[in-house]
Amino acid sequence: DGGITQSPKYLFRKEGQNVTLSCEQNLNHDAMYWYRQDPGQGLRLIYYSQIVNDFQKGDIAEGYSVSREKKESFPLTVTSAQKNPTAFYLCASSPRTESSYNSPLHFGNGTRLTVT
Amino acid sequence: KQEVTQIPAALSVPEGENLVLNCSFTDSAIYNLQWFRQDPGKGLTSLLLIQSSQREQTSGRLNASLDKSSGRSTLYIAASQPGDSATYLCAVRPTGGSYIPTFGRGTSLIVHP
Repeated sequence: DGGITQSPKYLFRKEGQNVTLSCEQNLNHDAMYWYRQDPGQGLRLIYYSQIVNDFQKGDIAEGYSVSREKKESFPLTVTSAQKNPTAFYLCASSPRTESSYNSPLHFGNGTRLTVT
Repeated sequence: KQEVTQIPAALSVPEGENLVLNCSFTDSAIYNLQWFRQDPGKGLTSLLLIQSSQREQTSGRLNASLDKSSGRSTLYIAASQPGDSATYLCAVRPTGGSYIPTFGRGTSLIVHP
């Protein structure tokens, strides 16, 4: 079955450490996205990539970094510069072509990061 | 900038009631609007996607409508069940720029037996 896999489901880190969240998809989608979700807030866009080897900052990119070396993979690194990293992180993907913007967005099951 | 608002923020109803969740958006230049369900600690599951040229979509007990000119969508849930308890989010995909969807904050629904 096609889908998006995020790992790990739970992640615990000490303050000051960088941590990388994994996102892999086998849907053959060009576009991939990282969102952050905090209690009582909507989803906020961190980074997105519409094609391999290219990515763009979203609304809250400070303290985060990404790479897109393969179509299937879009890892997110939460750096020590992120002031409030504890949150639920969601990865999504969708087709990208002009004719496919009416295709639905697909989500992984999320990673809950706790930094103490 | 597109803004998406969902009302109410929370809703608690007895089993069997028909209910309506609301989603409004400020910019009508959209490709589509998508409704999602999110269970606690989980990702988002797509329920319905309505293209801008459509007025409504149906899936089982769910019916979503879209009035693009007034910037509104509703999700109608018929004969609600305790298993419908979840947070429901809507997202609109714009026609211009980077085509990135904008999400509402969601409506938290509890259906009690």
